[in-house]
Amino acid sequence: QVQLVQSGAEVKKPGSSVKVSCKASGYTFSSYYMHWVRQAPGQGLEWMGIIDPSGTSTNYAQKFKGRVTVTRDTSTSTLYMELSSLRSEDTAVYYCARGTASPIDWFDPWGQGTLVTVSS
Amino acid sequence: SYVLTQPPSVSVAPGMPARITCGGNNIGSKSVHWYQQKPGQAPVLVMYYDRDRPSGIPERFSGSNSGNTATLTISRVEAGDEADYYCQVWDSSSDQWVFGGGTKLTVL
Repeated sequence: QVQLVQSGAEVKKPGSSVKVSCKASGYTFSSYYMHWVRQAPGQGLEWMGIIDPSGTSTNYAQKFKGRVTVTRDTSTSTLYMELSSLRSEDTAVYYCARGTASPIDWFDPWGQGTLVTVSS
Repeated sequence: SYVLTQPPSVSVAPGMPARITCGGNNIGSKSVHWYQQKPGQAPVLVMYYDRDRPSGIPERFSGSNSGNTATLTISRVEAGDEADYYCQVWDSSSDQWVFGGGTKLTVL
C-alpha cells in the first residue's frame, strides 16, 4: 500500500535550520508531485510548497519563499524539506503529502507528521 | 490572495445530516477537495473534485460546489465522524494552494 514515513521529532534553536525527510513506498515515486504542509499547535493547515516528479521544479508559498527548500531523491524515494532561520512561530507539525500526476490536484495520502519545536 | 472561509464549528446529533460549508469568491469555478483530521492524526482525503469520494470513504459523505459556496455533507452522522474538516483549492491566479480555516464537527 502507498505509505509515507517521515523522520522523527526535532528540537531546534532559533536561527538554526531543520531538514525533515519523507520516505515513500508502494508506488512509483518519480511519477507524482509531492507537497509539504504544516500545522501549528491548535491551528489549521498551511501549504508550504510543491516539487514536480522529476525534482527539477519547485513552487513555494509566498510566506516561506527564501526560507524553505524542497528536494527529492528518486534513487531512495525520499522527499526532503529544509526550513532555515527558524523562529518560535515555526513550531509545528510538518506533513508531507503525495499529489497526483498533475500539480493542481488533491493530496493523498499524507505522512504521519514530524513535530518541529523551536525553542531557546 | 484567495481566501476560504469555514464555520469554526458544527454540532449535530447522531443520525442527523451535517453540512460543512466553505466559502470563497466564485469558488464554483474551482475544484474543491476536503480532508478529515482526527485528533493526533494526519489529514485524510474524503472528497476530491467537489463530489468524488476516494475508495474507502462511506457513501454517507457527499459534496457540492456552486457559486460562492462548496459544501461537504455527511448524511447520517456517526460518532466516528467527529473530527476537523478542511476544504482546499488551488488558486490559479497565485499558483498557490489554499486551505480553509477548518471546521470542528461535534457529534452530540
